[in-house]
Amino acid sequence: DVKVTQSSRYLVKRTGEKVFLECVQDMDHENMFWYRQDPGLGLRLIYFSYDVKMKEKGDIPEGYSVSREKKERFSLILESASTNQTSMYLCASSLMRGWTEAFFGQGTRLTVV
Amino acid sequence: GENVEQHPSTLSVQEGDSAVIKCTYSDSASNYFPWYKQELGKRPQLIIDIRSNVGEKKDQRIAVTLNKTAKHFSLHITETQPEDSAVYFCAVPGNNNDMRFGAGTRLTVKP
Repeated sequence: DVKVTQSSRYLVKRTGEKVFLECVQDMDHENMFWYRQDPGLGLRLIYFSYDVKMKEKGDIPEGYSVSREKKERFSLILESASTNQTSMYLCASSLMRGWTEAFFGQGTRLTVV
Repeated sequence: GENVEQHPSTLSVQEGDSAVIKCTYSDSASNYFPWYKQELGKRPQLIIDIRSNVGEKKDQRIAVTLNKTAKHFSLHITETQPEDSAVYFCAVPGNNNDMRFGAGTRLTVKP
């Protein structure tokens, strides 16, 4: 069974804080993704990575960065959290070049106050 | 990146009726088209997918149809049941290892 685990289920941070969201997968997947989920907007791609130390911008990368130092771990970083980054964040991983099933983590609901 | 549009945004059906959700995409190079189901408070999970060498795929009460010429694919659920109530997402892989999702369809099956 593939497991994608996000470090926190709920997180409350203050405006201006640097926030780290961690994601770990245990199936040696090459691809990893970070999405943001907001009502009516679906899953919007923030960043993705297809290999260690590789990263690509998605549709809404502003205000975010990522790190992939090891194949199993993909971190999302909010450099200076703002209230408009309050959202549900979902991490996902997949085995091959976008043409196989994506497995999702349980999500992190981040509230920035 | 890939432009993915999904309709309708909400769908309410009576138990036993059929439901159809449609997804259109912009990049003709895509050849893998999955559908995900997200139940309330849970993570999205794959329910069915299709590859471009076939036009239709069925799995019990769910089916996906693909029209590559028109660049759209659809999810069909027959004999709907209350447990089918969820948000459904289509997804399309881009050419750069990315995976983009539609905005989602909230399906409500009324008993």
